[in-house]
Amino acid sequence: AQSVTQLGSHVSVSEGALVLLRCNYSSSVPPYLFWYVQYPNQGLQLLLKYTTGATLVKGINGFEAEFKKSETSFHLTKPSAHMSDAAEYFCAVSHNAGNMLTFGGGTRLMVKP
Amino acid sequence: NAGVTQTPKFQVLKTGQSMTLQCAQDMNHEYMSWYRQDPGMGLRLIHYSVGAGITDQGEVPNGYNVSRSTTEDFPLRLLSAAPSQTSVYFCASSRGQGYHEQFFGPGTRLTVL
Repeated sequence: AQSVTQLGSHVSVSEGALVLLRCNYSSSVPPYLFWYVQYPNQGLQLLLKYTTGATLVKGINGFEAEFKKSETSFHLTKPSAHMSDAAEYFCAVSHNAGNMLTFGGGTRLMVKP
Repeated sequence: NAGVTQTPKFQVLKTGQSMTLQCAQDMNHEYMSWYRQDPGMGLRLIHYSVGAGITDQGEVPNGYNVSRSTTEDFPLRLLSAAPSQTSVYFCASSRGQGYHEQFFGPGTRLTVL
């Protein structure tokens, strides 16, 4: 069975500071990994994904994530936080059957002025 | 393209009532799925479909029914609503085998009293 753990349900950073959201996964097969963002009262929007190939993945809004197989991690980073980055972020791993996703519990990012 | 649409946006039910949450997609996607979102638990898979006439259970299927008579539509039926089904429900679709990105609808917020 696959599982995803997001360390820290709430993360607070100052505007301009580095954003680091942690995600660890377990999977018995090579994983497909995703980060989604959810703004208040909205659906989920794909930030970035890892399927195969380059382990450093760049996404929208300046975010990137690195797939580290040895650490079973897929942490999300952004060099400089912006107020508009305040949202909830979800890490997910894909099943082989039907492309279905297993999600982590989510991390709410707060950005202080 | 409208993408994935869900109706209604909000719904309040009394315990024991039944209802259907509607989901439609206009991207000719083969796979569709339903998730529920609860605080601290991320999103959990309820049911999914890999094509018209084919459905399967996810992680939390009890109390829900689905059917898929057309490629476009994938309704979720609550047979006898319970307070434990108070949640935000998201429908998603993906292109098909080998295409792991899922596209999410805006969600339905359901309260069961």
